[in-house]
Amino acid sequence: DSGVTQTPKHLITATGQRVTLRCSPRSGDLSVYWYQQSLDQGLQFLIHYYNGEERAKGNILERFSAQQFPDLHSELNLSSLELGDSALYFCASKFRDREVDEQYFGPGTRLTVT
Amino acid sequence: AQSVTQLDSQVPVFEEAPVELRCNYSSSVSVYLFWYVQYPNQGLQLLLKYLSGSTLVKGINGFEAEFNKSQTSFHLRKPSVHISDTAEYFCAVSERTSNTGKLIFGQGTTLQVKP
Repeated sequence: DSGVTQTPKHLITATGQRVTLRCSPRSGDLSVYWYQQSLDQGLQFLIHYYNGEERAKGNILERFSAQQFPDLHSELNLSSLELGDSALYFCASKFRDREVDEQYFGPGTRLTVT
Repeated sequence: AQSVTQLDSQVPVFEEAPVELRCNYSSSVSVYLFWYVQYPNQGLQLLLKYLSGSTLVKGINGFEAEFNKSQTSFHLRKPSVHISDTAEYFCAVSERTSNTGKLIFGQGTTLQVKP
């Protein structure tokens, strides 16, 4: 158990819908990262938040947005869902934003768009 | 920009045999290197990382990796594998001075350990 929790574990929804994925980092961790794992694209970095502020963006679609709240939990919002958005979405956390620090991954949320 | 290439998508091996999972990277700046393991239906777990110093890095579960700067490689090895090592393995890099620590992953290598 990494100490990072993600809810829900599974999500099945229809095209065009909007969903919210939630991540609670390890106690005391200030950084939250979101990654998408799909068969087509592999494991891709989406976005990084540090202590409530966006720090870096990767290959994140405009239909996707995220935020980190004052209690440090984070939410990833996916809207106008398409079949290709079906993937495993991971959240990871670490204490600060230093590259040398280890990222701890949650178990993921499996999103299926039908 | 950085990229990571894992040269084998699947590696089948018999139990107690040695294994090497290959990883090459490309980057215009200095990077840190990582290997992560993903067991079925679980998140990723750090096996080992190279930050600086000795190019041979030892990790958990008997794994080790060697950083080769001239060949821009970071191959993962284990002298004797167990059935429980069956999993997906990911090589990753992080830019040293990015101020973010985001990870760029390879496509992954599935290690299948057969009895």
